[in-house]
Amino acid sequence: EVKLLESGGGLVQPGGSMRLSCAASGFTFTDFYMYWIRQPAGKAPEWLGFIRNKANGYTTEYNPSVKGRFTISRDNTQNMLYLQMNTLRAEDTATYYCARMGFDYWGQGVMVTVSS
Amino acid sequence: DVVMTQTPVSLSVSLGGQVSISCRSSQSLVHNNGNTYLSWYLQKPGQSPQLLIYKVSNRFSGISDRFSGSGSGTDFTLKISRVEPDDLGVYYCGQGTQYPNTFGAGTKLELK
Repeated sequence: EVKLLESGGGLVQPGGSMRLSCAASGFTFTDFYMYWIRQPAGKAPEWLGFIRNKANGYTTEYNPSVKGRFTISRDNTQNMLYLQMNTLRAEDTATYYCARMGFDYWGQGVMVTVSS
Repeated sequence: DVVMTQTPVSLSVSLGGQVSISCRSSQSLVHNNGNTYLSWYLQKPGQSPQLLIYKVSNRFSGISDRFSGSGSGTDFTLKISRVEPDDLGVYYCGQGTQYPNTFGAGTKLELK
């Protein structure tokens, strides 16, 4: 069974940093592109970016809205996906999801609140 | 960015009824490889979005044939027949043809 489980959310001050993690299981992790998506309360999801699979060299793509502040990485030995978020702003407040290629499986989400 | 416009914003339906949701993109969603990466998702209250339909008309594993997707180019439709209580929530269309991938604003399906 495919499972994705995010962790690491919480409250952070504006300008601060936070790293989210996503533990993947139930599939061959290295075969899949992996994505981060966020959703502010009551709004539509927003695609943040992805990291490619082994066959495509684990390279990354980002939404321009977060490029330069957010970094996606993966630890293929631990089947872990990460999202490093720097210089956080109030508008980054949202539920953050990891998702598998094709958005066929999503994690349960983790809440990030940026506030003083 | 490709803008995805969904209509209506909300929809009231009786159990057993049929509804249609429209999704229009600001640019053609036909990829250079010939595929059209238009998907539909349902987000039930308090849950993550779940994939219903991918590449316009393909039902994801385990999705009832009461859900059907159609369309081409820039105009797409999701139809739900014989609506059940478990179908209620917010439906999103999303495109994966161009970066950044984008989603519609959602259509809330409620009981009449």
